[in-house]
Amino acid sequence: QVQLQESGPGLVKPSGTLSLTCAVSGGSISSSNWWSWVRQPPGKGLEWIGEIYHSGSTNYNPSLKSRVTISVDKSKNQFSLKLSSVTAADTAVYYCARVNIAVAGTTGWFDPWGQGTLVTVSS
Amino acid sequence: SYELTQPPSVSVSPGQTARITCSGDALPKQYAYWYQQKPGQAPVLVIYKDSERPSGIPERFSGSSSGTTVTLTISGVQAEDEADYYCQSADSRGSRVFGGGTKLTVL
Repeated sequence: QVQLQESGPGLVKPSGTLSLTCAVSGGSISSSNWWSWVRQPPGKGLEWIGEIYHSGSTNYNPSLKSRVTISVDKSKNQFSLKLSSVTAADTAVYYCARVNIAVAGTTGWFDPWGQGTLVTVSS
Repeated sequence: SYELTQPPSVSVSPGQTARITCSGDALPKQYAYWYQQKPGQAPVLVIYKDSERPSGIPERFSGSSSGTTVTLTISGVQAEDEADYYCQSADSRGSRVFGGGTKLTVL
């Protein structure tokens, strides 16, 4: 079964760039799925950040689009997130997840999820 | 921006039925999904495509849809069901959206 694992620095300085990688195991990142990032500030709800297809096509949350870049490395079976110009408001647990779409043209669901990684923005 | 609205909290006694609602204008046109999240853990899918239950999810979890509202029903609530529950769907442009979450308390 597919498993996802996030990795990256747990502390980022304000105005810097947050960089995370999600390693996919037990399946191919070139399957017919999108691969997504979701974050959760401490004590708050879930927020979708964006997603990527193995072809390199991306979709981003409009509220974060100007600061987000998601990329894919098929040779390593992983995808990555970069979030620039971070502030304390970007402190959150960041999850990667696979997006499943049952019928083309319909929305999809997140499953499975990685365990999540806490990123703190602080000097 | 598009929003999915959930009640902040729902409380039930063990063995009773819990109903958690999620409202959004696009729900008649888009499927909804439900996740359970326990403290310190990643969310787990409990309902997909409005009412389908993934393998391994207990039969007491069910979903339904009516107009602009979808509902997660947990019949015969158990103490282990105490968690945060999130609905998820998409707006008209395809951007994925989560509800604000509902904390289910088992009294």
